[in-house]
Amino acid sequence: GEDVEQSLFLSVREGDSSVINCTYTDSSSTYLYWYKQEPGAGLQLLTYIFSNMDMKQDQRLTVLLNKKDKHLSLRIADTQTGDSAIYFCAESKGDKIIFGKGTRLHILP
Amino acid sequence: NAGVTQTPKFRVLKTGQSMTLLCAQDMNHEYMYWYRQDPGMGLRLIHYSVGEGTTAKGEVPDGYNVSRLKKQNFLLGLESAAPSQTSVYFCATRQGRAFFGQGTRLTVV
Repeated sequence: GEDVEQSLFLSVREGDSSVINCTYTDSSSTYLYWYKQEPGAGLQLLTYIFSNMDMKQDQRLTVLLNKKDKHLSLRIADTQTGDSAIYFCAESKGDKIIFGKGTRLHILP
Repeated sequence: NAGVTQTPKFRVLKTGQSMTLLCAQDMNHEYMYWYRQDPGMGLRLIHYSVGEGTTAKGEVPDGYNVSRLKKQNFLLGLESAAPSQTSVYFCATRQGRAFFGQGTRLTVV
């Protein structure tokens, strides 16, 4: 199966919280990442979490890591129109970094 | 401090032509990667390097070659371009987290 899986689409109303979920396969992954890609642009690192942590908060962003279930989530509080983008989950797998297919976040007015 | 620079940014090739994409970094990172991004497919790893003089295959290496003669440069070559290689190509370096270039949009006609 896929190394990193995430749902392809998410629609959220402006002002609500967005939660993007991801599952990964490598229990030895040292780092897990969330990247943001706006149309026509490269990938911007949003946040990352070490595998020995279970939560990381950075302003509107909260990352939760459940190592037992190999589940990673990104919560964006007070979602704004500027948050509209594709969000990629990624895991470090040995020397490689493996990406999911990305979740397109659509903001409803 | 430019970070990760990819050249060219855009290119149109005819089927069968060859070209080289250049990735240059000024961060002295050991690890460098080439990915391709296609709609609905996320980022797929083509080749990577863990240091000067080393290269390794990723998920989708066929039709591509790479070289890392100098630590700061990672070259991706297409010997005989095919329409299936139409894509956006991203280079990345890594020290803990990954840093991405802005991408090269390649069209093969």
